[in-house]
Amino acid sequence: DGGITQSPKYLFRKEGQNVTLSCEQNLNHDAMYWYRQDPGQGLRLIYYSQIVNDFQKGDIAEGYSVSREKKESFPLTVTSAQKNPTAFYLCASSSTPGDLSYEQYFGPGTRLTVT
Amino acid sequence: AQSVTQLDSHVSVSEGTPVLLRCNYSSSYSPSLFWYVQHPNKGLQLLLKYTSAATLVKGINGFEAEFKKSETSFHLTKPSAHMSDAAEYFCVVSLPGYSTLTFGKGTMLLVSP
Repeated sequence: DGGITQSPKYLFRKEGQNVTLSCEQNLNHDAMYWYRQDPGQGLRLIYYSQIVNDFQKGDIAEGYSVSREKKESFPLTVTSAQKNPTAFYLCASSSTPGDLSYEQYFGPGTRLTVT
Repeated sequence: AQSVTQLDSHVSVSEGTPVLLRCNYSSSYSPSLFWYVQHPNKGLQLLLKYTSAATLVKGINGFEAEFKKSETSFHLTKPSAHMSDAAEYFCVVSLPGYSTLTFGKGTMLLVSP
């Protein structure tokens, strides 16, 4: 089955630790995205990548980092600099970078809890 | 600048009654508009999209939406709600030349028996 996988589904970390969230897609999509979701705030864009080895900051990139070494993979690292990291994180991909009239496909999400 | 407003944070309906979820957008150009649905602790699934073709767009699971340029609206409707429709719904807008989408804050649809 083609799709996007995110792992793990639930993740718990202590404050001050970096943590990496996995996102893999087998849709052969060029563009990939990371969003953060908090209750009542919709989705906010963290980082996006339109091609391998290139990525851009979204609206709330502070305290996060990404890499795009392979087309199918776009891991997100939540660093200790992120002030409020507890949230639901969603990864998405699309086939046409730069043309957002095409839909994005979403993974099932990772719920991160930092205490 | 582009923005999208979902006018209701929560909508409650009874099973079998019509559903109306309201969305207004702000844009100087012709947008592409989407409705996504999210069930609890799941990713988002595309319901339907408008990309400057027919103004009445039919989607999955009996949902449809009408693009009204004069009212800058893109409301989502369904004639008869089902219990499985209970979820959060997001209206999303994109513009030519922009590299990111703008999401509304979501409307939670509650369906009672």
